[in-house]
Amino acid sequence: DTEVTQTPKHLVMGMTNKKSLKCEQHMGHRAMYWYKQKAKKPPELMFVYSYEKLSINESVPSRFSPECPNSSLLNLHLHALQPEDSALYLCASSQALAGAGETQYFGPGTRLLVL
Amino acid sequence: AQSVAQPEDQVNVAEGNPLTVKCTYSVSGNPYLFWYVQYPNRGLQFLLKYITGDNLVKGSYGFEAEFNKSQTSFHLKKPSALVSDSALYFCAVVNTGFQKLVFGTGTRLLVSP
Repeated sequence: DTEVTQTPKHLVMGMTNKKSLKCEQHMGHRAMYWYKQKAKKPPELMFVYSYEKLSINESVPSRFSPECPNSSLLNLHLHALQPEDSALYLCASSQALAGAGETQYFGPGTRLLVL
Repeated sequence: AQSVAQPEDQVNVAEGNPLTVKCTYSVSGNPYLFWYVQYPNRGLQFLLKYITGDNLVKGSYGFEAEFNKSQTSFHLKKPSALVSDSALYFCAVVNTGFQKLVFGTGTRLLVSP
């Protein structure tokens, strides 16, 4: 089973709201990722967790706050977002980090609209 | 530094004909290369990867790719295209010890009936 699940599928929020995106995998993977994807563009890496510790932060604004409560779960907390943050947010997981040649498996994404 | 180029924004092919989606890469050291496909409003689906060994890699849904070190290419191929293959295809690269998967800009494949 190579399934990564994400909730919610769609999210509409105002610029003053606080919301969270959730990601879950049960493949025993130890690396998890958040990507942001704009329409017809490649995914842009935001955060990488390895063994539940933040490994990479791609200079993401502080209005995005990741959290890895355990090895199966990854959250992305959103606060005071801007309309330009509207995008598809993808979660991925892999057995180990990318440099080991491990395959990243992606979830279906959360379509976020910031009004 | 590492980078990937997908020179074609769009590839058009008739159903039943062979298809090729091009990818070239630039890395220092040995590359790990991947192909992903994305259908509208969906996540990325893994198709295949090259790590080491045989230069011809076979993957899901009848796709294959050939690693060419001298030309630094990793083109995606399929002998007979299906309308259902129409989607956005991404090539990606990472080299040993570098933690970030770098994606190409994507190629839209349109297969006409």
